[in-house]
This record gives sequence, C-alpha cells and structure tokens, in this order.
Amino acid sequence: DQQVKQNSPSLSVQEGRISILNCDYTNSMFDYFLWYKKYPAEGPTFLISISSIKDKNEDGRFTVFLNKSAKHLSLHIVPSQPGDSAVYFCAASARETSGSRLTFGEGTQLTVNP
Amino acid sequence: GAGVSQSPSNKVTEKGKDVELRCDPISGHTALYWYRQRLGQGLEFLIYFQGNSAPDKSGLPSDRFSAERTGESVSTLTIQRTQQEDSAVYLCASSSQGGGANVLTFGAGSRLTVL
Repeated sequence: DQQVKQNSPSLSVQEGRISILNCDYTNSMFDYFLWYKKYPAEGPTFLISISSIKDKNEDGRFTVFLNKSAKHLSLHIVPSQPGDSAVYFCAASARETSGSRLTFGEGTQLTVNP
Repeated sequence: GAGVSQSPSNKVTEKGKDVELRCDPISGHTALYWYRQRLGQGLEFLIYFQGNSAPDKSGLPSDRFSAERTGESVSTLTIQRTQQEDSAVYLCASSSQGGGANVLTFGAGSRLTVL
C-alpha cells in the first residue's frame, strides 16, 4: 500500500528553466509534508516543508504547493541549476497518529542540463 | 558529532550470516529512526525510538530484524540469517523531538549486499 507516490521516476530540464516535481498521497491523516534531496552515496537532506494548513511555502528558488482536496503536492525549482541534479523524495507525516515518522515516495531523479 | 554517523558504510556478507549496523545520532537528539532503501525504491520505515518510550517496531519486515538503542545515544540494527532480499542501503536519522513538525537528519547510510 503505497501511501505516497511519485509517478515520475525521472525528469530532465534545461538550466534556467523551471523544474516541477509531483507527489500524490492517499492518507487523509497526513498533515505535514516535506521534500528531501539526495545525492549519490549521501543521506537525504531536508529541503522544504509545508503544513496542511497552508497551500504554499516558498524558500528562495524552491516553492512547495499543496492541494489538499486533490491530495497532491508539487515542488517547483526556478531557475533550475546543474547542482540541483539529485533524487528528490516527497515525504508525509500524520503527526497525531504517528508523530514525526515519515512516509516516503519512491523518488524522482532530476537532471538539470547545462 | 556534527551529523549522524553510520558504520560500516559498506558491508558484503554471505547469505545466512548475521550483520550489525551502527548509528550514532546527533548529540541531544531524542528521536532515532531506521529506514532502508532497496534499489530503485523509496525509503521504507523500519523502527523508531523516542526517548525512554517503547520503540515503534511496526516497520520491521520479519523477526530476523531487531534494533536496540542505549538511552539517547547509539543504536544498532541487527539482521540475523541474512537473505538476498535484505540487500539495501540502511539509513539512520535522528531528530530533536519525537512529535510535531520536526525535521529528520539522515546519515549517509550503510550499504548491505548479501551474496
């Protein structure tokens, strides 16, 4: 039962353009969502988060959008840079029932071409 | 230390052997998590420790898997009688509190290969 899904295993964009990574979830108890970035041979690193009471959170080049009715969130990176090339994981938590335990998606490999 | 340390970084073992993986969390972090990532898949929750509370073991895939944590420090994940499907990167993470909107900080992982 995959509660968090990232349907695109890979995405390729040109430097300077926008990267849009998508994530869908099924558990209506999820109330906090995060994006992590992972480089090869390293652990995932936290990128940006959003609470279910918001629909948008922005941090520099990174913006996360949440559509609760559609159970969908997306990460926008603009402008994309070659150093952004990594695997991006969407994660969610249901704080009331599971505390800070995170459920992760399968990841999307982003490649930003110079 | 400044980050979450895991050892060994790589482990190759024969099917049927036991392995032990170690995690040293960030000092002062009360919560500690183990996840694993099989090839081409997402991160799969294994177990969660929070202070002196009973651990949440709901993600352990079989009774061959166990984990311990001494107080709020080092944790070891033990896999007995390893099988080829245990091959994965085992990731440890810690956070400063168990509940709420805290962020998990991950180690670099221990890559386990079972031949």
